[in-house]
Amino acid sequence: DQQVKQNSPSLSVQEGRISILNCDYTNSMFDYFLWYKKYPAEGPTFLISISSIKDKNEDGRFTVFLNKSAKHLSLHIVPSQPGDSAVYFCAASGGSQGNLIFGKGTKLSVKP
Amino acid sequence: DGGITQSPKYLFRKEGQNVTLSCEQNLNHDAMYWYRQDPGQGLRLIYYSQIVNDFQKGDIAEGYSVSREKKESFPLTVTSAQKNPTAFYLCASRSPQGGNTGELFFGEGSRLTVL
Repeated sequence: DQQVKQNSPSLSVQEGRISILNCDYTNSMFDYFLWYKKYPAEGPTFLISISSIKDKNEDGRFTVFLNKSAKHLSLHIVPSQPGDSAVYFCAASGGSQGNLIFGKGTKLSVKP
Repeated sequence: DGGITQSPKYLFRKEGQNVTLSCEQNLNHDAMYWYRQDPGQGLRLIYYSQIVNDFQKGDIAEGYSVSREKKESFPLTVTSAQKNPTAFYLCASRSPQGGNTGELFFGEGSRLTVL
């Protein structure tokens, strides 16, 4: 039973436009959410995070929105650049151990 | 430079053989993790260790074993009992300052292929 779902396996966007990656979760105990970016044959790198007490966090071109009532978060990348092409993983944590639960990822392709 | 080093990057194994993947970190992190990634799948937790000489099973621990004798090292052994060991393996550690909400820092990964 997937607790963190990324329902879009892939997304293609034109350079300069907005990329919106979505993530849904089922466990209301999750209190911290993160986005990771991964290139092929490399380890994921941390991108941005948000606590459940907030509904928005912004870092440069990246903004994460959290809708707790809908158990939904999204990552906005504006403007998208070809170097943003990668797989993006949504992750959530909660509870005493705080282990991260990852979604299956969304492959973003930004076309020049 | 501080970071997490995984070795080897690529490894081939014959069926029935055990193999050990190395993970070393010089970040002074207490918590370390092993994840497995398969095509089209997310990262699934194999084992984790919050402190030296202690470790816990993750979601898919069957066929794997770990040890945590030193803070810096968290090797993963893929045993012959693992039915489908071909995968990309990722080691990670977590900053103690982050508590239960700190982000994970990942190594570059090790790709294991069973022939």
